[in-house]
Amino acid sequence: LAKTTQPISMDSYEGQEVNITCSHNNIATNDYITWYQQFPSQGPRFIIQGYKTKVTNEVASLFIPADRKSSTLSLPRVSLSDTAVYYCLVGSGNTGKLIFGQGTTLQVKP
Amino acid sequence: KAGVTQTPRYLIKTRGQQVTLSCSPISGHRSVSWYQQTPGQGLQFLFEYFSETQRNKGNFPGRFSGRQFSNSRSEMNVSTLELGDSALYLCASHRGLAGGPPYQETQYFGPGTRLLVL
Repeated sequence: LAKTTQPISMDSYEGQEVNITCSHNNIATNDYITWYQQFPSQGPRFIIQGYKTKVTNEVASLFIPADRKSSTLSLPRVSLSDTAVYYCLVGSGNTGKLIFGQGTTLQVKP
Repeated sequence: KAGVTQTPRYLIKTRGQQVTLSCSPISGHRSVSWYQQTPGQGLQFLFEYFSETQRNKGNFPGRFSGRQFSNSRSEMNVSTLELGDSALYLCASHRGLAGGPPYQETQYFGPGTRLLVL
């Protein structure tokens, strides 16, 4: 099952675009990639999910290159309220098991 | 629509005791997954229940068990508690329409139960 690696922390300023990359070198053909956001004292909240290429929704974009060994969550024009921990998750299509990354703490400054 | 609820929110136990945590999924959701979150190990998948059957299981010892009732509510039990079991236990639900594993549909997490083992 794929092991996921993310940067521990990132800083940004309001209005900037933030890109958080997750490495998952051993990802299998049937594995999906999902990103979650977590605020203190709350459960994680779904942001976006993808399998390959690019996925976009109203809050983020997810870029997955052809080899699928990494994925990048892109948050356009972040605000102070985007300060949170962001988790990358790889879900196995073969075993149903889920592997979370260690999380990236994003600090958005004014 | 009410979100996922977990009870109790906080719990203190001593080593050797057992504990039962409860999770009520969003109405209409048939799948419930449980996760353990600690500062050292991060978020780890425990198991998933779908239609009262355990469908997927993570790499946790047999002291961790669960069950799901016909109304989709789920309980998680930890027996013979160890200090290392201190953690935030999260449950998440999803519709389960496709009958597939949790990652295929959006999971909705509850606020968690914070367990402290002394």
